[in-house]
Amino acid sequence: AQSVAQPEDQVNVAEGNPLTVKCTYSVSGNPYLFWYVQYPNRGLQFLLKYITGDNLVKGSYGFEAEFNKSQTSFHLKKPSALVSDSALYFCAVRDGTGRRALTFGSGTRLQVQP
Amino acid sequence: GAGVSQSPSNKVTEKGKDVELRCDPISGHTALYWYRQSLGQGLEFLIYFQGNSAPDKSGLPSDRFSAERTGGSVSTLTIQRTQQEDSAVYLCASSSVAAPTNEQFFGPGTRLTVL
Repeated sequence: AQSVAQPEDQVNVAEGNPLTVKCTYSVSGNPYLFWYVQYPNRGLQFLLKYITGDNLVKGSYGFEAEFNKSQTSFHLKKPSALVSDSALYFCAVRDGTGRRALTFGSGTRLQVQP
Repeated sequence: GAGVSQSPSNKVTEKGKDVELRCDPISGHTALYWYRQSLGQGLEFLIYFQGNSAPDKSGLPSDRFSAERTGGSVSTLTIQRTQQEDSAVYLCASSSVAAPTNEQFFGPGTRLTVL
């Protein structure tokens, strides 16, 4: 069975500072990894995905994520946080076979202080 | 519209009543998914449709839950004899094909409250 862990319920960072939201995963075979963001009273928005190739993936709104196979991690990063980045972030995984649905982590609330 | 739409946006019902939640996927998307997001929890997979194939119902929590997808487009999630633990936000998503590399596009959700 596949699983995702987001060890931090909340991350606080000052505007302008770099941010990291952590994600580790467990899956059989090759992982396909995704990050989504959820703003209040809105659905999830796709940020970026890792399929294969370069371990550093760039996505929307200046976000990037680094795939680390040996550590089974896919941490979300941004060099300089904005107050508008404050939201709920979900990491998700699926494998190349079997069920097509995503398995999500429990989410991390990012709070960027001005 | 360009995105996934869901209706109603909010639904309040009494315990024991049946409810229907609707999802309109992005036009042309063949894969459709239902998830449930409970307060303080991540997203829980419920059911998945892909074209004319038999749906994957492995995530449905009980036989009170069912879903249909008519004409390969609109989907309806039905919860019979609702219980208070069914209170959650129900999210629908679609993707162009069911390939594991394809991202899913989510609707705004239906917030269900069972009194």
